[in-house]
Amino acid sequence: RKEVEQDPGPFNVPEGATVAFNCTYSNSASQSFFWYRQDCRKEPKLLMSVYSSGNEDGRFTAQLNRASQYISLLIRDSKLSDSATYLCVVRGVPTGFQKLVFGTGTRLLVSP
Amino acid sequence: DAGVIQSPRHEVTEMGQEVTLRCKPISGHDYLFWYRQTMMRGLELLIYFNNNVPIDDSGMPEDRFSAKMPNASFSTLKIQPSEPRDSAVYFCASSRQGTRSGYYGYTFGSGTRLTVV
Repeated sequence: RKEVEQDPGPFNVPEGATVAFNCTYSNSASQSFFWYRQDCRKEPKLLMSVYSSGNEDGRFTAQLNRASQYISLLIRDSKLSDSATYLCVVRGVPTGFQKLVFGTGTRLLVSP
Repeated sequence: DAGVIQSPRHEVTEMGQEVTLRCKPISGHDYLFWYRQTMMRGLELLIYFNNNVPIDDSGMPEDRFSAKMPNASFSTLKIQPSEPRDSAVYFCASSRQGTRSGYYGYTFGSGTRLTVV
């Protein structure tokens, strides 16, 4: 089983739509959680961290369910510029403190 | 801040040739990571260094791969001999020490797109 699993998509949505991505992780001792964004032929960039209580950054909302080992990202009022691949990322257990494990990503296509 | 600098951006080589990828991390970052990205397997961690010392190389696929960090501002990833299945995008990333309650994100370089024919 992969450490981090995501639906690869693609998710095709019209501008203005709300879209949600889900992610599961296998190691219950994982320490921290993130969403990264990767544009086509570019490097991944940190979008937002995911906190236990849930957190919001503008149109983006991230949720964590430790009991179910499940992470989500909600994008409201989608923009054309949101088209990208969204990577679910988990930081390793204490012995791999600085080590990030990336999911394979969910591709989002926002159309006019 | 110049960011993480990788070279070359693109590399096309013939099977059996030696390939060397280069990375300059952000000044002051004490962690350096090498990742490989393919469509099939996504981003895979190959090796990472802390203060120029290799900490975890369990992701290095085989003996054909080697990585060095001779000083805080330079690292190389070498493949010898290269094979077509090594074709991928290789990313270098750097970070600085985080606390257990905090975290400093990775900054990735632009990557090297390697094609082995």
